[in-house]
Amino acid sequence: EVQLVESGGGLVQPGGSLRLSCEDSGSTFIRYGMNWVRQAPGKGLEWVSGISSSGGSTYYADSVKGRLTISRDNSKNTLYLQMNSLRAEDTAVYYCARVGGLVAGAFEYWGQGTLVTVSS
Amino acid sequence: QSALTQPASVSGSPGQSITISCTGTNSDVGGYNLVSWYQHHPGKAPRVMIYEGSKRPSGVSNRFSGSKSGNTASLTISGLQAEDEAEYYCCSYAGSSTYVFGTGTKVTVL
Repeated sequence: EVQLVESGGGLVQPGGSLRLSCEDSGSTFIRYGMNWVRQAPGKGLEWVSGISSSGGSTYYADSVKGRLTISRDNSKNTLYLQMNSLRAEDTAVYYCARVGGLVAGAFEYWGQGTLVTVSS
Repeated sequence: QSALTQPASVSGSPGQSITISCTGTNSDVGGYNLVSWYQHHPGKAPRVMIYEGSKRPSGVSNRFSGSKSGNTASLTISGLQAEDEAEYYCCSYAGSSTYVFGTGTKVTVL
């Protein structure tokens, strides 16, 4: 059973940094690409970043390129999102999501989300 | 990477059918057979309802169906039930391992 649990959210000042984590309690983490999707208050879902199963390839939305860095540690079944130079518009619930598996090209499993608030 | 366009809200009475549209471009919806639809209840994780445009994951009711024509995808919910009230998002693969979501549609069961 795949269970994704995010952590690391909180309140941070503009310009600050935060690192989010997403741990997969299942045994198939290493096989799949992983992504971060966010939802700002009162707004829709926004794809943020993705990483290949090996971690060798990473992908970013234009809105976060150069400020957010996705990575993974397959030995720990954990996905990360390093967030630097944070802005008010980065305030959102951040979800990790697994792509592929039984649903090609779609996000099959999601975590419950972790809230990031960027404010002074 | 502009969001796909969805109607802000759609409503229907129990038992009726509703359809939500999702309009993109040749670079996303029209370029790939990889449109998915998600049901999102407040405070919960989104749930995939349709993938590859028209396929249902195991456990999803056959009241949910998807289709695509050109740059527009559609989600139809038939036999509308109170539990279907939620926000619905389309999502398309946009090339180079990137994705784009729709603007979201609030479904209200009258």
